Amino acid sequence: AQTVTQSQPEMSVQEAETVTLSCTYDTSESDYYLFWYKQPPSRQMILVIRQEAYKQQNATENRFSVNFQKAAKSFSLKISDSQLGDAAMYFCAYRSVNTNAGKSTFGDGTTLTVKP
Amino acid sequence: DAMVIQNPRYQVTQFGKPVTLSCSQTLNHNVMYWYQQKSSQAPKLLFHYYDKDFNNEADTPDNFQSRRPNTSFCFLDIRSPGLGDAAMYLCATSRDVPGQFFGPGTRLTVL
Repeated sequence: AQTVTQSQPEMSVQEAETVTLSCTYDTSESDYYLFWYKQPPSRQMILVIRQEAYKQQNATENRFSVNFQKAAKSFSLKISDSQLGDAAMYFCAYRSVNTNAGKSTFGDGTTLTVKP
Repeated sequence: DAMVIQNPRYQVTQFGKPVTLSCSQTLNHNVMYWYQQKSSQAPKLLFHYYDKDFNNEADTPDNFQSRRPNTSFCFLDIRSPGLGDAAMYLCATSRDVPGQFFGPGTRLTVL
């Protein structure tokens, strides 16, 4: 079974600075998907960024980018120019390509605080 | 806008009194999921529907049931809520493109 580990329960960053959230995973599969989800306080969870394992290029969505290291089974999220609205709990998730239903395994989350 | 809607947003029930939570979606996604999320924890998958096929997680208590009468709607029934079932319940959907769309959640309080 796959496992996802987020080793940083809490992180903080100064507004306009850059922060990196860590995620490692364990799998024996060669093809899979990785995700970062954002869950602001009392608001719904949204998909921030997605990475296909077969793609070597790191995914980027505006201020959000990932550092995908397949051999090391590492998938970190970098948030550039942090904004107050980035404060949230961030979940890293893994999904096998072998399941049609798209079931994902979630990490325990990292709570990000943005200081003004 | 296409979205995932959950009703009610807040539900209070009494210990042992059955409760039903609802989820609807306008995304025409074929997969719908129910998660339980307790404070500051990762969502825990309870079950999901792939089209009409129901898939229960092995560790989901029998107290939790689900119905999906059509593509757009899915219900979570808790037959006899206990204090430990107080949580946020999240509905999510997906289709071909990997990644799930989540609803805002229903916060369940059990008195």
